[in-house]
Amino acid sequence: DAGITQSPRHKVTETGTPVTLRCHQTENHRYMYWYRQDPGHGLRLIHYSYGVKDTDKGEVSDGYSVSRSKTEDFLLTLESATSSQTSVYFCAIRAAGVEEKLFFGSGTQLSVL
Amino acid sequence: QQQVKQSPQSLIVQKGGIPIINCAYENTAFDYFPWYQQFPGKGPALLIAIRPDVSEKKEGRFTISFNKSAKQFSLHIMDSQPGDSATYFCAALLLFGGYQKVTFGTGTKLQVIP
Repeated sequence: DAGITQSPRHKVTETGTPVTLRCHQTENHRYMYWYRQDPGHGLRLIHYSYGVKDTDKGEVSDGYSVSRSKTEDFLLTLESATSSQTSVYFCAIRAAGVEEKLFFGSGTQLSVL
Repeated sequence: QQQVKQSPQSLIVQKGGIPIINCAYENTAFDYFPWYQQFPGKGPALLIAIRPDVSEKKEGRFTISFNKSAKQFSLHIMDSQPGDSATYFCAALLLFGGYQKVTFGTGTKLQVIP
């Protein structure tokens, strides 16, 4: 699992509340990614990071922000959750020297009611 | 340009059969075409990947066939087993220096019945 831990594993929240999901890695990888997975859409990139304090947007970044203040932690924040953000969120890392492969965490199931 | 189209959406085969999952792409600049396998409650895991200058790659019972002129690639699972029941995603990957941009297909749910 490349030392990736996502927390929480499940969360139920109400529309309009802020939510933060955490991705923690133990192997000092530079590149970290946040994806969301929805039926019929596969996995879509939300944001990614290429180092501490270095982040950029993916294809579905609206309504999400990220922060990376330490190499090991990549946080995804929904500033004001909406029902359309109900999804399974996956963190991934790219290991050095393995350019064709992403290692994924076990995911966070988020329900926005 | 960045889409990857995957079919079928679901597939049921009997044990020992050879399920085939197909994908098509548009962008000829992709550097790799990986396949990921996902079990319920888990994250996707890389199964096998092929570069566009190779027509076929085998790893165990899993084979990727790649047709560059048709812009299509497919996954074949030989002698399928109930343990292969999972969702499979094809993908196409662009490398930008150290960053990789991955576009995923929409997934195929495979069920292998005993």
